Amino acid sequence: QSVLTQPPSASGTPGQRVTISCSGSSSNIGSSVVHWYQQLPGTAPKLLIYSNNQRSSGVPARFSGSKSGTSASLAISGLQSEDEADYYCAAWDDSLNGHVFGTGTKVTVL
Amino acid sequence: EVLLLESGGGLVQPGGSLRLSCAASGFTFSDYVMNWVRQAPGKGLEWVSTISVRDFSTHYADSVKGRFTISRDNSKYTVYLQMNSLRAEDSAIYFCAKSGSLQLWRDFDYWGQGTLVTVSS
Repeated sequence: QSVLTQPPSASGTPGQRVTISCSGSSSNIGSSVVHWYQQLPGTAPKLLIYSNNQRSSGVPARFSGSKSGTSASLAISGLQSEDEADYYCAAWDDSLNGHVFGTGTKVTVL
Repeated sequence: EVLLLESGGGLVQPGGSLRLSCAASGFTFSDYVMNWVRQAPGKGLEWVSTISVRDFSTHYADSVKGRFTISRDNSKYTVYLQMNSLRAEDSAIYFCAKSGSLQLWRDFDYWGQGTLVTVSS
């Protein structure tokens, strides 16, 4: 059961900007940092953004993250065909004493 | 190069047990928190368990608490997941993931390719 809520899907044409939201609560996003993962079809997840807005090594600058209160967002600027994947947010939850993942968002490039 | 290689998955009957292993290389294993994450077919990611660095404290998702046990052997650069009383809903790909530091709340910066566990009669 996911504690963090994401829209199930998002889409855009090549070059467009796409934003994915991640809604949590005071026990997770509100009191911890948020991380974002990208999962290409048939592969293991890959770290994209850590600690709210830090790009992981090798991640293009078109990916950016932000956090405000109990919500976070991942933005993809200049959408490319290779960005078609599932995206998950995650955070530590103080009440559950463990990590929680978002419900996941499938990004489609039209 | 950081590598994580899971093994031990397979087909098991409901109520049975399996022990997953994750062999790590390319970093100082004893300096990092280690984790297990699973993904049921066609579903999202679910955190399963975490083991810390210094006191080997363990953390579990409610869905596996009391049935799964995480452990680590720093001399062998290996983390384990002992899974008992398995249920059909435990069927998933199990990923081993390294945390970004010794802090529990850090990101999972490297992932293995996963090992498939199928619980079925």
